[in-house]
Amino acid sequence: GENVEQHPSTLSVQEGDSAVIKCTYSDSASNYFPWYKQELGKGPQLIIDIRSNVGEKKDQRIAVTLNKTAKHFSLHITETQPEDSAVYFCAAGTALIFGKGTTLSVSS
Amino acid sequence: GAGVSQSPSNKVTEKGKDVELRCDPISGHTALYWYRQSLGQGLEFLIYFQGNSAPDKSGLPSDRFSAERTGGSVSTLTIQRTQQEDSAVYLCASSLIYSIDGYTFGSGTRLTVV
Repeated sequence: GENVEQHPSTLSVQEGDSAVIKCTYSDSASNYFPWYKQELGKGPQLIIDIRSNVGEKKDQRIAVTLNKTAKHFSLHITETQPEDSAVYFCAAGTALIFGKGTTLSVSS
Repeated sequence: GAGVSQSPSNKVTEKGKDVELRCDPISGHTALYWYRQSLGQGLEFLIYFQGNSAPDKSGLPSDRFSAERTGGSVSTLTIQRTQQEDSAVYLCASSLIYSIDGYTFGSGTRLTVV
């Protein structure tokens, strides 16, 4: 089955800096890679996803890159803001398997 | 509905009692998933349903856990003889098409076993 590793587990940045979260996966058959943001007391919310036929996707300050050969994908957040503070999860697999999450703290 | 609805939002139960957690997926979503999130932990896959196909129960941690989905819509996760280690947030998600579409999660049910 699929196994997803996510790093780092915690990330602290200053407002305006960039943040990068990385994930690796094991199942080469996986073809869909979403990222979720979870705020305290809420369910995870999809923020961006990428499919295996593309290498990069951007949505305003958020971008995701995928390297299928190396089986890793990354979330990039530029110009971070305090409201970006949350737990971020990557996922992969047919029935999505999630990484253990990254707690991002953006200080002003 | 507009989103995935879960009830109750909070449940406190005594050890050994049975509990039922409910999930109302987005109308028209054929795939439904249950996950468990322990304090400060990631999302642990429990079970998924896709249309009328047999559910994938491979993530259920023990035979005390079961789930059903009636009429291809509402799902109920049942935990029998609850244990303290069952305390967690149970999240339900649904998607339009299994495996190639993003999930929409509910806000979860926080279960506390005392």
